[in-house]
Amino acid sequence: TQLLEQSPQFLSIQEGENLTVYCNSSSVFSSLQWYRQEPGEGPVLLVTVVTGGEVKKLKRLTFQFGDARKDSSLHITAAQPGDTGLYLCAGAKGSTLGRLYFGRGTQLTVWP
Amino acid sequence: DVKVTQSSRYLVKRTGEKVFLECVQDMDHENMFWYRQDPGLGLRLIYFSYDVKMKEKGDIPEGYSVSREKKERFSLILESASTNQTSMYLCASSPLRRAGSGANVLTFGAGSRLTVL
Repeated sequence: TQLLEQSPQFLSIQEGENLTVYCNSSSVFSSLQWYRQEPGEGPVLLVTVVTGGEVKKLKRLTFQFGDARKDSSLHITAAQPGDTGLYLCAGAKGSTLGRLYFGRGTQLTVWP
Repeated sequence: DVKVTQSSRYLVKRTGEKVFLECVQDMDHENMFWYRQDPGLGLRLIYFSYDVKMKEKGDIPEGYSVSREKKERFSLILESASTNQTSMYLCASSPLRRAGSGANVLTFGAGSRLTVL
């Protein structure tokens, strides 16, 4: 069973469009992270959110952590071809061992 | 530039062979992880280690073992490779953090793509 449900699994859009990726769970997380992975590389951290209701912005990317710390969203404004990649959400359950629980990922393709 | 290095980017092995995947990190991190990544299934945790000679099973440990003899090195071992172990294997490391001290960030290697024929 997947602890974090991520949707959609695939997203194919034109340059300039907006999009939102969702990450949902019935479990509470102490923090939630978003990673981006490009072909042939490992995932790289984009952002960490730790407080319920927290909103963080990274240029055209906006990340939100739900009030109950069970869900998160990633919104991209005016997508560009350089945004193409696999986006992964990952949650931590607060243990000292550092394990993260990953969603299945959203494959985003932005066409010029 | 700090990093996690996976020694083999691409491997092709035959069914029944013993396979070693090596991972080295230069960040003095306590935690190290092995994930496998398959299309549509995301990252699934095989094993992790939070200290030298310590190991914990993840979600899919069957068919795998690990070794951590030194802090910087974490090896994944397939005792007898099978075709269903064809996959991308990702190693990651992170510092040890106490609960409530902040989020744990993983640094990943570039991956090892294993094909078992």
